[in-house]
This record gives sequence, C-alpha cells and structure tokens, in this order.
Amino acid sequence: GNSVTQMEGPVTLSEEAFLTINCTYTATGYPSLFWYVQYPGEGLQLLLKATKADDKGSNKGFEATYRKETTSFHLEKGSVQVSDSAVYFCALSGPHNNNDMRFGAGTRLTVKP
Amino acid sequence: GAGVSQSPSNKVTEKGKDVELRCDPISGHTALYWYRQSLGQGLEFLIYFQGNSAPDKSGLPSDRFSAERTGGSVSTLTIQRTQQEDSAVYLCASSLFGTNGDTQYFGPGTRLTVL
Repeated sequence: GNSVTQMEGPVTLSEEAFLTINCTYTATGYPSLFWYVQYPGEGLQLLLKATKADDKGSNKGFEATYRKETTSFHLEKGSVQVSDSAVYFCALSGPHNNNDMRFGAGTRLTVKP
Repeated sequence: GAGVSQSPSNKVTEKGKDVELRCDPISGHTALYWYRQSLGQGLEFLIYFQGNSAPDKSGLPSDRFSAERTGGSVSTLTIQRTQQEDSAVYLCASSLFGTNGDTQYFGPGTRLTVL
C-alpha cells in the first residue's frame, strides 16, 4: 500500500540556517504529494502541494519538488525564522481518489534566535 | 469564512464509557475524513465520507469505532467501551471534492483522554 517516510526529528537550527526535511514515498501510479504544518497550539494546515511529477510546490519561502525518479518530495527553505518552529508532515494521496491519504510521522523543527 | 470545527476540544472519560466526537465541515465540502493522532505519531486514517457514497471504513481500528454523517454535513465519530489506548487527538478534515490532489482542511481536533 501507499506509505510515506520522512526524516525523524527533532531538528534544531539557528535562525537563517538552511533547512531540508527529507520525505520519500511508496505508491502505485502518480499520487499527489503534500506538506502540512502544525504550529504550536494550532491545527494542521496545508503548506504546499504538488500533483504531478516535476511540479514544484512553494509557499512562505518553503519549496518541495515532486521527484518521480527518486520517489521523493523533500522540503527546503533557504533561511529559516523562529516563526517556522512547528511540526511538519509529509503526506500523499491518490492516485485515484483522495481518501487514500497517508501521512508521515512528522518532523519537529525548532529554530533558535 | 468558517473553517472545520470540532467539539468538544477536550474529553476526559473513564475506561468502558462511550464517547461521541462531533465535526462540522466547511460548508459545501463533499468529502469528510477522520484521523487519529497519537502522541509522537503521524496521522492514522480512520474513515472517509464522500457525498452519498458508502463510507470507506477501512481505517477503523476495531468494531468499537463507528461514524456517521448526517445530511451530507455534520459527522459524529463514536467510540464504544473506550480503552486507554484510544487516548489520542482525533482530527476531522474536509475537502471540496475528495479527489486526488484536493486539499484537506483540518479542524483543531478533539483531545481524548481515557483514564
């Protein structure tokens, strides 16, 4: 079945450092890929997504590229801020319908000033 | 506009009691999902409703868990004879069409503690 494996945390960085959170997936066909973020005390919210191979999702300075050849969707940001401290979840759905969404275990990021 | 809402936000119950968790999806969204988030774990899919179709119950962990969605809108997740391992945050999400690539919007969750 479909599954997602993401880098285990926690990850601690200094402000303005470069961030990479690795995510790889196993799925048949071409699923859609997502990164969700959960800020302290808040609910899950979509950060970015990509629905086909080679697409790049981007939002708030974060980027992730859908790599079919490596079955990966790594999350990157060039310069993190304290406000980026949160738990990040990689997820996939499909390829045929959305009810087959699978989430990774989450990676907790702490950014220190 | 209003997002997905869930109630109660916190529920403490005794082992063996039944609990009901409520979800109000975003108006107009045809798909509704329930997930469970255990401490330090990712999200575990429980059940999915899409329009008038039969729900996908493949993620329910046991027959103590059930859910219904009335009138294509509000959903209730019921856990009968609760056990301590049921303690978790129960998240509800909705999406417009429930198709591949459709964004799911999450509620704040209900934190269930079974003593």
